[in-house]
Amino acid sequence: KAGVTQTPRYLIKTRGQQVTLSCSPISGHRSVSWYQQTPGQGLQFLFEYFSETQRNKGNFPGRFSGRQFSNSRSEMNVSTLELGDSALYLCASSLRQGAGEAFFGQGTRLTVV
Amino acid sequence: EDKVVQSPLSLVVHEGDTVTLNCSYEVTNFRSLLWYKQEKKAPTFLFMLTSSGIEKKSGRLSSILDKKELFSILNITATQTGDSAVYLCAVINNAGNMLTFGGGTRLMVKP
Repeated sequence: KAGVTQTPRYLIKTRGQQVTLSCSPISGHRSVSWYQQTPGQGLQFLFEYFSETQRNKGNFPGRFSGRQFSNSRSEMNVSTLELGDSALYLCASSLRQGAGEAFFGQGTRLTVV
Repeated sequence: EDKVVQSPLSLVVHEGDTVTLNCSYEVTNFRSLLWYKQEKKAPTFLFMLTSSGIEKKSGRLSSILDKKELFSILNITATQTGDSAVYLCAVINNAGNMLTFGGGTRLMVKP
């Protein structure tokens, strides 16, 4: 079965712009989590969505937001981009909330110039 | 705040060697510990450990959890160059599916 699909794979944006990233989870999976990976901070949790509701949120500013649709696809949005937002953004799919095992997509590499 | 520490930070071995990667954690309401392998982009799921003392095995890889001492190890026997990657340890608590990751161990296997 198809894995987790993230689009786009690469993005270059200018400071101050906003960006929307998309994640389609594994078919049948209803929980989607987002992570930011940078060389300095490693992998950090952004937020988790289950049944179209945000269930958990990491320690990121309000410029980072997300949503989940009825088909479990999720989007995350970053507004007023800063240079420090340059990172690999990874989406993880789980069968349900509390399932534990999470399967990651290939990520979106965002570069802010 | 949940915390995961991995050691060593990096490791260089030769093909055929056996390696042991370490992961210690502090987490409130611990539920499970997970190991991932990350080569380029997507971390690939290896193991999920929930119970203490029960070894999980997949081919040349194995892992065990000690919930009393709050650590886990990942063993790789007869290493191959294809094992070169960053190995990530993460813990999950009862609050949901949020993973707290360690900084990873970068393994390089030389021919």
